[in-house]
Amino acid sequence: DTGVSQDPRHKITKRGQNVTFRCDPISEHNRLYWYRQTLGQGPEFLTYFQNEAQLEKSRLLSDRFSAERPKGSFSTLEIQRTEQGDSAMYLCASSLGLAEPFFGQGTRLTVV
Amino acid sequence: QQPVQSPQAVILREGEDAVINCSSSKALYSVHWYRQKHGEAPIFLMILLKGGEQKGHDKISASFNEKKQQSSLYLTASQLSYSGTYFCGTESNSGYALNFGKGTSLLVTP
Repeated sequence: DTGVSQDPRHKITKRGQNVTFRCDPISEHNRLYWYRQTLGQGPEFLTYFQNEAQLEKSRLLSDRFSAERPKGSFSTLEIQRTEQGDSAMYLCASSLGLAEPFFGQGTRLTVV
Repeated sequence: QQPVQSPQAVILREGEDAVINCSSSKALYSVHWYRQKHGEAPIFLMILLKGGEQKGHDKISASFNEKKQQSSLYLTASQLSYSGTYFCGTESNSGYALNFGKGTSLLVTP
């Protein structure tokens, strides 16, 4: 499979726990994006990387959220001290330069 | 700034046409259209760049009016497979991340 891969697909966690998601972009795609999507809404931009550099972060990305892309390939998104409001689908997308982003199937997070 | 999509939802009979609109309060560099089926990733349909162009493939086409900061997606002779939620994503400058609208839910019935 040569598409964007996200792991895990589903995560249930207790409030206050930390969670980490992984995204493997399409090979050779230098841009990687994280979005969050709640039911009935469009994807909301969180942050994006060009290679290993994090170039933009949304105001939605509170201090509890951190994203990394250490070698310019896969990326991780960590949420610390999860809250019920963090429950959402977390989507990763990648693109080659300024071309259109291709999305992964997402990680569905449920905070109980 | 989130673009505004209309209508919120539409139900069609197979073979009918539909138009989905996307408007922004900010000047736009590009508009991207995606379709998402329940539980699946958004799938890229097409991108329109400023300069006021129209694009299409098969029976799905789109236009972009840069001056009006609007884009429209046209679905003609709809097929059952067109059902899903359509999102427009707008880019205010080249290289910026996309801002998506809330989506338009389209259901095509036999």
